[in-house]
Amino acid sequence: DAKTTQPTSMDCAEGRAANLPCNHSTISGNEYVYWYRQIHSQGPQYIIHGLKNNETNEMASLIITEDRKSSTLILPHATLRDTAVYYCIVRVVNAGNMLTFGGGTRLMVKP
Amino acid sequence: NAGVTQTPKFRILKIGQSMTLQCTQDMNHNYMYWYRQDPGMGLKLIYYSVGAGITDKGEVPNGYNVSRSTTEDFPLRLELAAPSQTSVYFCASSPGQGTDTQYFGPGTRLTVL
Repeated sequence: DAKTTQPTSMDCAEGRAANLPCNHSTISGNEYVYWYRQIHSQGPQYIIHGLKNNETNEMASLIITEDRKSSTLILPHATLRDTAVYYCIVRVVNAGNMLTFGGGTRLMVKP
Repeated sequence: NAGVTQTPKFRILKIGQSMTLQCTQDMNHNYMYWYRQDPGMGLKLIYYSVGAGITDKGEVPNGYNVSRSTTEDFPLRLELAAPSQTSVYFCASSPGQGTDTQYFGPGTRLTVL
């Protein structure tokens, strides 16, 4: 799986959009971009994933650049409960569905 | 559905003791995983299984054993506990098709003294 680079930490004001970047410059054509988050002491939670096109669900939006070398997770209206570590993961389809977790970005949503 | 359940939630072991961490899922998922998470670090894969009777090593398998006799259960065995195994252990499952996602349990916090 391709390596990802994320900022160690970010702050966001409550009610504002949180934009979390991820670099994956060595991504290959069959690798998907996944985002998970981990709220303190809990198990990781799936957020969203995509291959080429931008994706949106009830939790977030995922913007993938045209060259696929980077992506941005957008939480449109961050709340205090969105404070968590966010993991950007790039993985090959059908590789046993294994996820390789890096350090992630610690997002702090402040009132 | 209860999803993925893990027992116990907390455990303290002495060096050299053995224990089994239990993991059960009620979603009829084929794939199951064990991860460990050391303080302030990301998750590392210990073992995984693609179906009953089939298991394989992940990134950090040393000191652990697993078995998968049923679709629902995927226990993790620590034979000779060492302080380096102090960690939070997460079990996860997924249907095992294409781009599906993994569902995680609440974790077991293990301390080896």
